Amino acid sequence: KAGVTQTPRYLIKTRGQQVTLSCSPISGHRSVSWYQQTPGQGLQFLFEYFSETQRNKGNFPGRFSGRQFSNSRSEMNVSTLELGDSALYLCASSFDRGTEAFFGQGTRLTVV
Amino acid sequence: AQKVTQAQTEISVVEKEDVTLDCVYETRDTTYYLFWYKQPPSGELVFLIRRNSFDEQNEISGRYSWNFQKSTSSFNFTITASQVVDSAVYFCALSVGGDYGQNFVFGPGTRLSVLP
Repeated sequence: KAGVTQTPRYLIKTRGQQVTLSCSPISGHRSVSWYQQTPGQGLQFLFEYFSETQRNKGNFPGRFSGRQFSNSRSEMNVSTLELGDSALYLCASSFDRGTEAFFGQGTRLTVV
Repeated sequence: AQKVTQAQTEISVVEKEDVTLDCVYETRDTTYYLFWYKQPPSGELVFLIRRNSFDEQNEISGRYSWNFQKSTSSFNFTITASQVVDSAVYFCALSVGGDYGQNFVFGPGTRLSVLP
């Protein structure tokens, strides 16, 4: 059974640019969640999609957005990048709420 | 609001020692789920265990065991006879039921170093 795949693994962007990260969940999983991990703030929830609908959203500015496609693959977008957006972005795949989530290896974003 | 506290920031032990990682959670929901994840240097979060709020039975899996106590809102994790490969950051996480979807609140993590 294939795991959660996140692409790309590494990204370097300039302040003001935008970036799109991709996540392919485990087959059969309809819930995809996104998390930001930084040394200072730890792991913080960004948003969750289930069957193409955003079901929950964390406390992040509107520059952070996401979507989910009919095949459950998900993308997150960050516009007008700031230095503080440098982080490891993790995608989690799960069957539904309350079930175990399986994480991808993450995308490490560096904003310069 | 939900909160997870892991008071131990870093722990160092010598191989073969037993070690317990503490986790204390806060929630007003009666239905909730608790998890432990391991994050090795590669960065991927590895699922270790899931517990729901109605199941206080302790669990043992090989060298790993978990002690869930609702009376103290704790979900502690013990590694018996630790090994160098256990070195990682360990996160405790909480997810509540209801209409919140799948949303984990993570603790700050405990960095475990097992020395040979």
